[in-house]
Amino acid sequence: DTGVSQDPRHKITKRGQNVTFRCDPISEHNRLYWYRQTLGQGPEFLTYFQNEAQLEKSRLLSDRFSAERPKGSFSTLEIQRTEQGDSAMYLCASAGTATYEQYFGPGTRLTVT
Amino acid sequence: GQNIDQPTEMTATEGAIVQINCTYQTSGFNGLFWYQQHAGEAPTFLSYNVLDGLEEKGRFSSFLSRSKGYSYLLLKELQMKDSASYLCAVRSSGGYQKVTFGTGTKLQVIP
Repeated sequence: DTGVSQDPRHKITKRGQNVTFRCDPISEHNRLYWYRQTLGQGPEFLTYFQNEAQLEKSRLLSDRFSAERPKGSFSTLEIQRTEQGDSAMYLCASAGTATYEQYFGPGTRLTVT
Repeated sequence: GQNIDQPTEMTATEGAIVQINCTYQTSGFNGLFWYQQHAGEAPTFLSYNVLDGLEEKGRFSSFLSRSKGYSYLLLKELQMKDSASYLCAVRSSGGYQKVTFGTGTKLQVIP
């Protein structure tokens, strides 16, 4: 068990470009979460998957954000037409069926210039 | 909706005890987490309370009162490495298991 991994760890992009992040959860975990965290704030919920089904999406999430988990394993988060306000740490977490504890990945730090 | 309040910052002395409070108002409650987050790192799980009372785990203990919408994290025998942000998070009821985090309490441990 190598824990939750995320790729890339850092991403610098220009405003208006599209970016895609990947999350590989702990292998036996069926629940996967995406969060966004800015400096001095707690993680903000973005979306939740149970297996391949996206069961909840934050109302704060604009249409520029989309997430997938095609085979119930890894997940991707895409941001289209990035804005400077999208600069943040994007965290992925996974959880198993029997426990509620979420295991977080190291995050992807996005900087939009 | 969810509203979670915790102090922004606290300072405590090495070897001492510190209590970090968290109050919450939710439309549905199904458990409360405490996470530790060192600067620049991902949050790591400390505790999960679903029933009223105190849960002890080594130097860390967590308390929950559902009727009061109140929890605290108690850290004993503080060490310098305990300097971090401590996040209170509430799991909502219903099937989707959404977790809402507070803004965190930044704890500084001083010699």
